[in-house]
Amino acid sequence: DTAVSQTPKYLVTQMGNDKSIKCEQNLGHDTMYWYKQDSKKFLKIMFSYNNKELIINETVPNRFSPKSPDKAHLNLHINSLELGDSAVYFCASSQASGNYGYTFGSGTRLTVV
Amino acid sequence: DQQVKQNSPSLSVQEGRISILNCDYTNSMFDYFLWYKKYPAEGPTFLISISSIKDKNEDGRFTVFLNKSAKHLSLHIVPSQPGDSAVYFCAASYTGANSKLTFGKGITLSVRP
Repeated sequence: DTAVSQTPKYLVTQMGNDKSIKCEQNLGHDTMYWYKQDSKKFLKIMFSYNNKELIINETVPNRFSPKSPDKAHLNLHINSLELGDSAVYFCASSQASGNYGYTFGSGTRLTVV
Repeated sequence: DQQVKQNSPSLSVQEGRISILNCDYTNSMFDYFLWYKKYPAEGPTFLISISSIKDKNEDGRFTVFLNKSAKHLSLHIVPSQPGDSAVYFCAASYTGANSKLTFGKGITLSVRP
């Protein structure tokens, strides 16, 4: 009965590959997010979707493409992976955008070699 | 451009004593503040929040204090327990469409038995 689940938990891949990370929430939330935690430990927002509509795109390279087939899912596809993409990626959801606490997934540790 | 700053990377306290975790922010638009707790290999989990119309919010052993004029908030944990050992993230947001949580880089709290 995991609230926000993301797969895979670990992903090791070579430079130049394309990979996807999947996220699903069963909380009935309207808004979903992708955050990146880099080596300096900052949690930075990448994208936000509200009811399948993109509402936040924080100057992320266009190699990163989020896809929301429905409001319970927000997947992240990354093309032409680079070494600097290595990080932990967290999916999160909230009841609505704004002043609501987020529920986070357990993270996907991406390592590009 | 760090809008939420947690300047101390770590804190170590004795079990039973008080833990005080500090956070500063620069954006005057922020009107809602949250603390998240994160264990290794897990996602951040919501701990406590405070609206800018208050200066204190308490939940059991956890109390958050907000000083708007100083743009400073703190989390007090009394008494500290070994299970409180984790990374604590301060986060802030503002009321409005397409708002998002902006996080600090976290403080690692170690509670010694």
